[in-house]
Amino acid sequence: NAGVTQTPKFQVLKTGQSMTLQCAQDMNHNSMYWYRQDPGMGLRLIYYSASEGTTDKGEVPNGYNVSRLNKREFSLRLESAAPSQTSVYFCASAGDRASTDTQYFGPGTRLTVL
Amino acid sequence: LAKTTQPISMDSYEGQEVNITCSHNNIATNDYITWYQQFPSQGPRFIIQGYKTKVTNEVASLFIPADRKSSTLSLPRVSLSDTAVYYCLVGFKAAGNKLTFGGGTRVLVKP
Repeated sequence: NAGVTQTPKFQVLKTGQSMTLQCAQDMNHNSMYWYRQDPGMGLRLIYYSASEGTTDKGEVPNGYNVSRLNKREFSLRLESAAPSQTSVYFCASAGDRASTDTQYFGPGTRLTVL
Repeated sequence: LAKTTQPISMDSYEGQEVNITCSHNNIATNDYITWYQQFPSQGPRFIIQGYKTKVTNEVASLFIPADRKSSTLSLPRVSLSDTAVYYCLVGFKAAGNKLTFGGGTRVLVKP
């Protein structure tokens, strides 16, 4: 099992450009999450999806949109990137039979907005 | 969501035991305490979870007093590879719940 995979690993954008960060999990988890982590800081929840077909805002949703494409995939879209969105973005999933709330994280996408 | 407070950083030496205490004064009856570990340039990784008293696994121990207003993560005999940021989280144990990661505790293990 690959676990949680994210693409791309690195991305540089110019202000105003758009892009979509992709996330997929192969653990048959119901819940998926998007976080951002600024340098030296903890993680902040952007959006999450408790189950296929549902999405909810987290702590910092402004400037982002999400799509829960199916049970496996959860994408994060920046419609008009801003320098303040320079960060590392982590996707996570949860819903393991042994522990329903334990989150498994992907390797992250490092995004720079110039 | 219950707010947590933990030290910003701690230094230790190889072979020592590291104890990180987290305060969560407004923990709710149904809340569990969970610790994650994050290495540089990686996503966080689940370490241990508990509700009360003591929990131990192959990586760490978690001590929770009766009032549950604090908890202590204990890492026995640390090595250089235990250098990481450790996050304490408190929340209801359910799939789809929201977790709040604070700043975490940066643990530096020295030779």
